[in-house]
Amino acid sequence: EPEVTQTPSHQVTQMGQEVILRCVPISNHLYFYWYRQILGQKVEFLVSFYNNEISEKSEIFDDQFSVERPDGSNFTLKIRSTKLEDSAMYFCASSGTGPQHFGDGTRLSIL
Amino acid sequence: EDQVTQSPEALRLQEGESSSLNCSYTVSGLRGLFWYRQDPGKGPEFLFTLYSAGEEKEKERLKATLTKKESFLHITAPKPEDSATYLCAVQAIRNTDKLIFGTGTRLQVFP
Repeated sequence: EPEVTQTPSHQVTQMGQEVILRCVPISNHLYFYWYRQILGQKVEFLVSFYNNEISEKSEIFDDQFSVERPDGSNFTLKIRSTKLEDSAMYFCASSGTGPQHFGDGTRLSIL
Repeated sequence: EDQVTQSPEALRLQEGESSSLNCSYTVSGLRGLFWYRQDPGKGPEFLFTLYSAGEEKEKERLKATLTKKESFLHITAPKPEDSATYLCAVQAIRNTDKLIFGTGTRLQVFP
């Protein structure tokens, strides 16, 4: 069964450094998403992406965040200057006409 | 404000002891209600989509139902492998794809 894959599974970064989280969505899906889950809290929407542009973003998704689909298979989330409060699980999801399917996430730890 | 509340936070069941999880929602027009299962260290795994009051969906020991204000996930004769966190999420009817999640119910089934 097709699945969303995310790399790396765990990323440790110094505060202030840039980090790129990578995702390979399900191949025939056209809609892509990033969510995050701070330990012990709800899964929160960050951004949705369709037709090579952001279709919606949350208040969390400020100027330090950006997304890109650099080629036909990858979807990335960049955090320009990480803060301690960016420590969380980041989930990528994709969908076609049906429900969103999630990857297993990248655990981002900011030191 | 769109909101999802799940109860109980945690549930311990003996193998074979049926029970129900609750998801109450407030949304300005429901486009869909989703149930996901999340195992530790993994991403949400899609279970069901419900679209209108009165709708029911079943999969193995799980049955999801929907009213105008809440959804129930009924677990019949659970097994230890059903142990997981069950997440409820809603999608509003206005022009948005984002999922709004509840905090989940952590289910433990003991043999």
